[in-house]
Amino acid sequence: DTAVSQTPKYLVTQMGNDKSIKCEQNLGHDTMYWYKQDSKKFLKIMFSYNNKELIINETVPNRFSPKSPDKAHLNLHINSLELGDSAVYFCASSQRGQGSEKLFFGSGTQLSVL
Amino acid sequence: GIQVEQSPPDLILQEGANSTLRCNFSDSVNNLQWFHQNPWGQLINLFYIPSGTKQNGRLSATTVATERYSLLYISSSQTTDSGVYFCAVERTSGTYKYIFGTGTRLKVLA
Repeated sequence: DTAVSQTPKYLVTQMGNDKSIKCEQNLGHDTMYWYKQDSKKFLKIMFSYNNKELIINETVPNRFSPKSPDKAHLNLHINSLELGDSAVYFCASSQRGQGSEKLFFGSGTQLSVL
Repeated sequence: GIQVEQSPPDLILQEGANSTLRCNFSDSVNNLQWFHQNPWGQLINLFYIPSGTKQNGRLSATTVATERYSLLYISSSQTTDSGVYFCAVERTSGTYKYIFGTGTRLKVLA
């Protein structure tokens, strides 16, 4: 039973296309995140949502649009893909205020823009 | 913004050896976590440790928040410990913004 699942695992696409990555968590957490990992393994936060409300937008180009239809889902839509968008995108979730606010990550989506 | 530096950047060990990984942060933090990214890319949460010491099997972690560092100890290392270890800090509780460190790449040789 996967706690945080994201699809697809691999995404290969041409420059200029639009694509989406989906994320779902079954942990009952109230906060979800998108992180980007570059080729040097550096992990940087992009967005965080708490109870479906956007809390952090970390100077991400507006070609990236997150959407949270409910607390268990956080999707990421990317318009007009560029070469520099190639990276691994991770979804994560956590629960505030219960003494252990561990981040749980999905398995990542490797995006390759050609 | 807060800087999170990890050392060493790379580490090679023989199976059975012990090691200490360090995470330094430039400002006070409310929360700190350690992660292991295995060779298949999966990020696994090892510890939630804003302060004090915790142990889980062969791994233990200590955070001294007042001195702005955390340590991850790996004892009797195994080849399955290979991967990249990250610490991540949250500057202020409730900001929902964890900043990741630069990582330590560990390779354990059989």
